[in-house]
Amino acid sequence: AQRVTQPEKLLSVFKGAPVELKCNYSYSGSPELFWYVQYSRQRLQLLLRHISRESIKGFTADLNKGETSFHLKKPFAQEEDSAMYYCALSVSSGSARQLTFGSGTQLTVLP
Amino acid sequence: EAGVAQSPRYKIIEKRQSVAFWCNPISGHATLYWYQQILGQGPKLLIQFQNNGVVDDSQLPKDRFSAERLKGVDSTLKIQPAKLEDSAVYLCASSLGPNTGELFFGEGSRLTVL
Repeated sequence: AQRVTQPEKLLSVFKGAPVELKCNYSYSGSPELFWYVQYSRQRLQLLLRHISRESIKGFTADLNKGETSFHLKKPFAQEEDSAMYYCALSVSSGSARQLTFGSGTQLTVLP
Repeated sequence: EAGVAQSPRYKIIEKRQSVAFWCNPISGHATLYWYQQILGQGPKLLIQFQNNGVVDDSQLPKDRFSAERLKGVDSTLKIQPAKLEDSAVYLCASSLGPNTGELFFGEGSRLTVL
């Protein structure tokens, strides 16, 4: 069965420092990976997906199939990046795809 | 564009009582999901609908949970009877189709079972 692991429940960095949120997955097929974010008092929303290889709000994530990882990175963290971040894996399930979430990492960017 | 609407936002019940949650997805979204998020954990899929048909309910505790999506729009998730371990946030999400990882979430319904 598929599994997503986010080893850090809490992560604190200072403003302007680089940040990396770790995500590892286990899945025998071809994975599709996503990062979702939940800011304080807001709903869960998509941040970025590996297929598009885009940078959103300065964040990037590269899929490393050899290490089965999809770490989220930003070179210079900002206070507004403080939020809960979830890594998610989409796998084929019958006629549809099922999205499995990790347990999340709470990022705090200190002034 | 209106987002996914859920109600009630908060509900407190005693164990063995029943509760129902309602969800209205984004207009035009054919796929609807119910997730359960227990404190400290990530969302866990309970059931996925494509229009008014069930695509995946493998993780739905069917002895006490039920869900329906009549007419392929609104959906209701019911728990009867509730247990203490059902205390969680119940998230509804919708997407254009069943093969996308881009889900749009509601604000959630927080259930406390005493």
